[in-house]
Amino acid sequence: NAGVMQNPRHLVRRRGQEARLRCSPMKGHSHVYWYRQLPEEGLKFMVYLQKENIIDESGMPKERFSAEFPKEGPSILRIQQVVRGDSAAYFCASTPGRGDTQYFGPGTRLTVL
Amino acid sequence: AQSVTQPDIHITVSEGASLELRCNYSYGATPYLFWYVQSPGQGLQLLLKYFSGDTLVQGIKGFEAEFKRSQSSFNLRKPSVHWSDAAEYFCAVGDDYKLSFGAGTTVTVRA
Repeated sequence: NAGVMQNPRHLVRRRGQEARLRCSPMKGHSHVYWYRQLPEEGLKFMVYLQKENIIDESGMPKERFSAEFPKEGPSILRIQQVVRGDSAAYFCASTPGRGDTQYFGPGTRLTVL
Repeated sequence: AQSVTQPDIHITVSEGASLELRCNYSYGATPYLFWYVQSPGQGLQLLLKYFSGDTLVQGIKGFEAEFKRSQSSFNLRKPSVHWSDAAEYFCAVGDDYKLSFGAGTTVTVRA
């Protein structure tokens, strides 16, 4: 049973470019959560999605960041016009239902030059 | 709002010695509490969790944690550490679906 998968594992972007991060939940899981880990800090909640719905995006920056979880395919976290401060590790987690124990993927480490 | 404090940024322990990592939380109701471990360049692995019931929780890799409501603590322990336990450890409190993490404690194991 494959775990949560994220790709790419490492992503390098220049300032102003777009970053697309993908997360495939565990089999049977329809709830996805995105977290950001800045250097020397713990993970911070960004957004919670269910298939085709954004449930809670209270942790998302108001501009440039968006997330989706379509009916088919992985969840996507999209960062437009990246800045150096976006450099971080982005983790997703999944659960079969709301409030269940979250299982994390290996993360995508974004570096903005 | 919930929050988690891990007072120790870095702990060094000798292989075979015992380990205790501290975690204090702030939460209005009975919390859901978790310990995760992150090895370098890896994702987070769940060590153990507390939802209710017995306040001493057993986890994987020989770890255990004790929930103490009176002290708002959920400390992680291991009687005898192995070199492979060198990693960063995160305590988290859950509010429904939203986890709040501490800043983490880095554990170094010396031979």
